[in-house]
Amino acid sequence: EVQLLESGGGLVQPGGSLRLSCAASGFTFSSYAMNWVRQAPGKGLEWVSAISGSGVNTYYADSVKGRFTISRDNSKNTLYLQMNSLGAEDTAVYYCAKDQRAYCTNAVCSSFDYWGQGTLVTVSS
Amino acid sequence: AIRMTQSPSSFSASTGDRVTITCRASQGISSYLAWYQQKPGKAPKLLIYAASTLQSGVPSRFSGSGSGTDFTLTISCLQSEDFATYYCQQYYSYPGTFGQGTKVEIK
Repeated sequence: EVQLLESGGGLVQPGGSLRLSCAASGFTFSSYAMNWVRQAPGKGLEWVSAISGSGVNTYYADSVKGRFTISRDNSKNTLYLQMNSLGAEDTAVYYCAKDQRAYCTNAVCSSFDYWGQGTLVTVSS
Repeated sequence: AIRMTQSPSSFSASTGDRVTITCRASQGISSYLAWYQQKPGKAPKLLIYAASTLQSGVPSRFSGSGSGTDFTLTISCLQSEDFATYYCQQYYSYPGTFGQGTKVEIK
């Protein structure tokens, strides 16, 4: 059974940093690109970032480029999102999501067939 | 970026109704379209991919159609567990973009 479990969310002050983690199990983690998608309170879904299975290729939404860094540790089956220079506009539930198609190296390849339960990031003073 | 526009944004329906949600892309995306269902406080769930392929385990009352710029999600006989918000997503080009969502409420 595929499972994705996010952690690391919390309350952070404007300008601060936070690192999210997503522990994966139930599939060959290194074969699949992974994504972060966020949802501001009461709003819709916004794709944030993607990383290829090898970790070589990374992609970002314009809204987070230069501030967020996606990475993965395939030996630990874990996905990360390092978030710096956080602002109120970054307040959201952050989901990790698995690409449905294996071996994708493009910025976008397929739909997302499994999602974590989400972790809430609140940026406020 | 490709803009995805869903209509309506919300509506009320009754159990047993046939409902249709529309998603329009600002440019052609072939069949690179997915539909997700999201219930309050829960993660999105993949319903349909490639515009019309039902994800494993999803009830057959859900169906999708369309290609190019115009797509529809149909629920043939609305059940109580189907009251939720539905999102379309294009994965034709970077960045993958979502529609704004359609909330299906109980009449």
